[in-house]
Amino acid sequence: SQKIEQNSEALNIQEGKTATLTCNYTNYSPAYLQWYRQDPGRGPVFLLLIRENEKEKRKERLKVTFDTTLKQSLFHITASQPADSATYLCALENDMRFGAGTRLTVKP
Amino acid sequence: DGGITQSPKYLFRKEGQNVTLSCEQNLNHDAMYWYRQDPGQGLRLIYYSQIVNDFQKGDIAEGYSVSREKKESFPLTVTSAQKNPTAFYLCASRVFRGRANQPQHFGDGTRLSIL
Repeated sequence: SQKIEQNSEALNIQEGKTATLTCNYTNYSPAYLQWYRQDPGRGPVFLLLIRENEKEKRKERLKVTFDTTLKQSLFHITASQPADSATYLCALENDMRFGAGTRLTVKP
Repeated sequence: DGGITQSPKYLFRKEGQNVTLSCEQNLNHDAMYWYRQDPGQGLRLIYYSQIVNDFQKGDIAEGYSVSREKKESFPLTVTSAQKNPTAFYLCASRVFRGRANQPQHFGDGTRLSIL
């Protein structure tokens, strides 16, 4: 069965630095992959979607890459701020299944 | 504003009782989903429905039941057969038919605890 792994349960970085989160998957070739943000006690909120034929997608300070050979997506937040502190989840297309998430903490 | 409403925010259940969690959406979305979230385990799919009067089991359906009598509503019943029901439950919806690549919209969850 397919498996989605986010390689870090928690990531702590200093304000202003770039945060990089990883999502790996196995036994699957998704047509697209999505990233969500979840704040404590709230539901996830959609951030970005990247298709298999797109190497990179950007939205303001966010950047997502998708390497179908490595079966990996990287999620970058540049010039990070304390307000970026949250859990970030990746999900495979219509599969409706999510990674366990990475809890990002940006320290002032 | 369009969105998904889950109620109640907090719910307590006594041993042996069934409880029903409400999920309503006014986004005119075709598909609806129920997830359970435990600390460190991310979201696990319980049930989903892509059309009214039809639904499918997810990865952890045992001890749960659902209905989809209306497009807007997808209630989840946690039965007494669910031995470890304490968790955060999330409902989501998505455009489905004829529209690929659509993200899910989530409610703000119901936290269920056993008394």
